Amino acid sequence: EVQLVESGGGLVQPGRSLRLSCAVSGFTFDDYAMHWVRQAPGKGLEWVSGISWNSGSRGYADSVEGRFTISRDNAKNSLYLQMNSLGAEDTAFYYCAKSNGFYYYSYMDVWGKGTTVTVSS
Amino acid sequence: AIQLTQSPSSLSASVGDRVTITCRASQGISSALAWYQQKPGTPPKLLIYDASSLKSGVPSRFSGSGFGTDFTLTISSLQPEDSATYYCQQFNSDRLTFGGGTKVEIK
Repeated sequence: EVQLVESGGGLVQPGRSLRLSCAVSGFTFDDYAMHWVRQAPGKGLEWVSGISWNSGSRGYADSVEGRFTISRDNAKNSLYLQMNSLGAEDTAFYYCAKSNGFYYYSYMDVWGKGTTVTVSS
Repeated sequence: AIQLTQSPSSLSASVGDRVTITCRASQGISSALAWYQQKPGTPPKLLIYDASSLKSGVPSRFSGSGFGTDFTLTISSLQPEDSATYYCQQFNSDRLTFGGGTKVEIK
C-alpha cells in the first residue's frame, strides 16, 4: 500500500523556521518526483514546491521562493520542506504528494493526510 | 505563473443531474491539466489527468475534456457521494498552479 506520512508541523512564531518531513512507503521512491501542496484554513489548494526524482530540478511558488527549500533523501525514502522566515500567510495544512513521473511538472496521483502549520505569536 | 479560473465557484444540483465545471487557463497549456476531488477533512483525490484520462478506479460518470485554454469536468449523473470541492491543476509550466475550486452541493 502506498503511504505518505507528513510530520513536523506545529505552532511557530513569526520569523522562525520549521522543517516538515514526509515518510514514504509502498513504491520506489527514487522513481518519482514529489511535491508539497498547502491549503490555508477555508481556502483552496496552493502548490508550494516540487522536486524531481534525483533532486536535479526543483520549483517553488512565487509566494515561498527564497524562504522555503525542498529536499529529499532517496536512501531514507523521505521528502523534506525547510521553511524559513515564516509569516502568518504560511499558516496552512501542508500535504506531501507523489508526482506521476520523474519530473515535478506533472500531476499528483497520491497524497498524504497532511500536517498543520500555524504561524502565530 | 499560469492562472486557472474555475467556474462556477459553487453549485447546487439534484441527484441524477448532469454537472459541468469549467477551468480556463490564462495561456495555452496543451492537455496538461488534472482534476481533483476533495471532501472536507480529507486530502484531494486525483480524478482526471492529461485533461481527459480517467484515473483507474474513478467512476465512469466523471469525464474531462478540453485542450489549450478551456477545459471541463463533467459528472454525467450526480450522486450523493459526489458532494465535494473540485479543483483543476495545470502542469504545463515549472510553476504548477491550481484553480480556485468549485464546491458541489446536493439539493
